[in-house]
Amino acid sequence: AQKVTQAQTEISVVEKEDVTLDCVYETRDTTYYLFWYKQPPSGELVFLIRRNSFDEQNEISGRYSWNFQKSTSSFNFTITASQVVDSAVYFCALSERDSGAGSYQLTFGKGTKLSVIP
Amino acid sequence: NAGVTQTPKFRVLKTGQSMTLLCAQDMNHEYMYWYRQDPGMGLRLIHYSVGEGTTAKGEVPDGYNVSRLKKQNFLLGLESAAPSQTSVYFCASSPPPGQFFGPGTRLTVL
Repeated sequence: AQKVTQAQTEISVVEKEDVTLDCVYETRDTTYYLFWYKQPPSGELVFLIRRNSFDEQNEISGRYSWNFQKSTSSFNFTITASQVVDSAVYFCALSERDSGAGSYQLTFGKGTKLSVIP
Repeated sequence: NAGVTQTPKFRVLKTGQSMTLLCAQDMNHEYMYWYRQDPGMGLRLIHYSVGEGTTAKGEVPDGYNVSRLKKQNFLLGLESAAPSQTSVYFCASSPPPGQFFGPGTRLTVL
């Protein structure tokens, strides 16, 4: 089973529409971290947000907002009033501690490609 | 600070050739990672290192070797390249639990 599932492979929206990208994760740890990264067409990975498992407060940053719900193991990402520059692949990731190696491992979902049409 | 840098940015190899990808970070991070990204697969961990002189296997280590002789550098080697290794390779470093990523290396094996 996938640890991080992004069920939406591709989404297309018209500019100014709101869009929500879904992320469902699976872990047995009580302490873990969740991330969203953006990969624009230029290819680099841009960090958007980190959330730890003890902080379920929703967060808003400009047009971006994140909804973390431990009860449903979800960490969804909403873009309000989408713009063409939001077109990118968005990755959700889970960081858990690898007790054997003593390090944190980052597991990525397969990504959601968002296309914002002018 | 340059952050995480990767050399080279692009490379084309023939099957059976060898090469080394260099990752360097100037943030004094203990942890470093190599990932590969393939279409529709997200990023998959190849190898990682939790400190100078240490390395460990990730999810897809076969066909690759790594070395961490200096804290700031993490090298990824392909001894005998295969077309299945055509991919985009990303290096990352961290203090955990998050990671800072390099710009990527696009490798094509013919």
